[in-house]
Amino acid sequence: DGGITQSPKYLFRKEGQNVTLSCEQNLNHDAMYWYRQDPGQGLRLIYYSQIVNDFQKGDIAEGYSVSREKKESFPLTVTSAQKNPTAFYLCASTLWGGNSPLHFGNGTRLTVT
Amino acid sequence: AQTVTQSQPEMSVQEAETVTLSCTYDTSESDYYLFWYKQPPSRQMILVIRQEAYKQQNATENRFSVNFQKAAKSFSLKISDSQLGDAAMYFCAYRGANAGGTSYGKLTFGQGTILTVHP
Repeated sequence: DGGITQSPKYLFRKEGQNVTLSCEQNLNHDAMYWYRQDPGQGLRLIYYSQIVNDFQKGDIAEGYSVSREKKESFPLTVTSAQKNPTAFYLCASTLWGGNSPLHFGNGTRLTVT
Repeated sequence: AQTVTQSQPEMSVQEAETVTLSCTYDTSESDYYLFWYKQPPSRQMILVIRQEAYKQQNATENRFSVNFQKAAKSFSLKISDSQLGDAAMYFCAYRGANAGGTSYGKLTFGQGTILTVHP
């Protein structure tokens, strides 16, 4: 079955370390997205990518970086510059444009201490 | 920038009753899409229903229907015959449909409404 895989489900890091969250999709979708969710809040867009080797900043890109070397993969790096990295991170994908809904992965819970 | 507002942080409903969740949005675009997503305790995001702004007819999916008022920029979700499995956080979301527009391809979410269903 097609879907989006995020790994790991839980991630723990020490403050000052960079950490990379994995997102892989086999839906043949063009566009991929990273969202951050804080307790009791909505989803905020970090980065998105329409096609391979191209990506744009979302609303809260500071302290994050991404790459899109393959259509299927869109890893997110949380750098030490991110002041409040502890959060729930959701990856999503869709066909670019149109009314196609976003398909989401199961998320990664990142805790930085 | 487009904004989506859900003014009800929490709502509750009795099993088998009907509940309506509110959503308003702010945009200067004429063509767009609106979505409702459900996030149960598992935290998996599940699409509930979608609406194209150019369609006057309100979307319906089984027990879920919307009241889309384009002029008022309102997009409420009605859940009929509520079930225990409907308990979740519900998010309203907006996406622009005009290629080249600032919100094209991006989904903007509201803050969410936590729905509790009482047996």
